[in-house]
Amino acid sequence: AQTVTQSQPEMSVQEAETVTLSCTYDTSESNYYLFWYKQPPSRQMILVIRQEAYKQQNATENRFSVNFQKAAKSFSLKISDSQLGDTAMYFCAYTTSGTYKYIFGTGTRLKVLA
Amino acid sequence: DTGVSQNPRHKITKRGQNVTFRCDPISEHNRLYWYRQTLGQGPEFLTYFQNEAQLEKSRLLSDRFSAERPKGSFSTLEIQRTEQGDSAMYLCASRAYTEAFFGQGTRLTVV
Repeated sequence: AQTVTQSQPEMSVQEAETVTLSCTYDTSESNYYLFWYKQPPSRQMILVIRQEAYKQQNATENRFSVNFQKAAKSFSLKISDSQLGDTAMYFCAYTTSGTYKYIFGTGTRLKVLA
Repeated sequence: DTGVSQNPRHKITKRGQNVTFRCDPISEHNRLYWYRQTLGQGPEFLTYFQNEAQLEKSRLLSDRFSAERPKGSFSTLEIQRTEQGDSAMYLCASRAYTEAFFGQGTRLTVV
């Protein structure tokens, strides 16, 4: 079965510091996609960054980058220069091109401290 | 606004009543999903449409739940004879390629 595990229920980081959120997944598929979604309090979920499994290069989006370790089935998110607006729930998610379901982890609540 | 729209945003209902939620996806997206999210948890898959066809229903979706997507446009999710355990955020998402876009959700409270 395909599963996504986020082992850090809550984290905090000082403003301007760097924080890394962990995610592991389990799949037997070879072609899949991984995502980090951000869900601010009482607001909709938005995509932060995505990674195609066939790409060896780690994805980056401004202050957000991932460390994708395919063999270890690990997909961590690094947030550099943390800002107060980064305070949110962060969900790791997985989907494949052959299916249609997103499978989400349980989330990590990140609080950025002033 | 061309994002995914969900109505209502909040719904409080008495146990045993029926409720219906609506989702308007991004217009060019042919895939539409319903998810349920309880406090402190990640979204759980409920059902999926490709155009007007409902291709899969989760085991989480009991007989009291029904979803439709007439003409492959908007979708409705109906819960009959609501129970307190149905209290949750119901999320709709639409997708054209790999990225899913989410609505703001409908928060259901069953009292």
